[in-house]
Amino acid sequence: LAKITQPISMDSYEGQEVNITCSHNNIATNDYITWYQQFPSQGPRFIIQGYKTKVTNEVASLFIPADRKSSTLSLPRVSLSDTAVYYCLVGDHTGGFKTIFGAGTRLFVKA
Amino acid sequence: GAVVSQHPSWVICKSGTSVKIECRSLDFQATTMFWYRQFPKQSLMLMATSNEGSKATYEQGVEKDKFLINHASLTLSTLTVTSAHPEDSSFYICSARSTGKGNNEQFFGPGTRLTVL
Repeated sequence: LAKITQPISMDSYEGQEVNITCSHNNIATNDYITWYQQFPSQGPRFIIQGYKTKVTNEVASLFIPADRKSSTLSLPRVSLSDTAVYYCLVGDHTGGFKTIFGAGTRLFVKA
Repeated sequence: GAVVSQHPSWVICKSGTSVKIECRSLDFQATTMFWYRQFPKQSLMLMATSNEGSKATYEQGVEKDKFLINHASLTLSTLTVTSAHPEDSSFYICSARSTGKGNNEQFFGPGTRLTVL
């Protein structure tokens, strides 16, 4: 399984763009990169997933360089409600894939 | 999107009793479901992988006789915490993988807060 490293915590202000970088040096060829968001006492919520280059959806963008050894989750114009823990996960989505969570990044958005 | 439910959302029980937690995929079939445990201020810890119609695969250090998992149908998996003790108090979360979707995305339930007195 790929070893995941991401910052333990980050602070930001409302309206700013937040970028959270995740390091996964030993990512395998079949591995995808997935980000989840979790609020206290709730289950994780899927944010975005990608394999390479850039992926964008209605809530975030995911930037993956050519070597795929890292990825960056970009949250545009965060609000107070974006205060949560963000988990970067790397895993093979073929048979037998299981999701192992790292420590996550605790994002705190201030007014 | 796909919805996963858990029941109950919270439960308080006496030490020594058993508690069953249900995990249901409401609008899709899930051949694989996962059970996690999360202690305060910590990340989710995978306990076991539940496959429909077969025995669950437990992670190292998780007692299979204490945490009984049954995945009897494509939409339901249950976790039974047997002879619960205060140290079993935790937030239990299940997830289900939708095999019908392209990227095998996992959908998480809302969690069950177990408090053992």
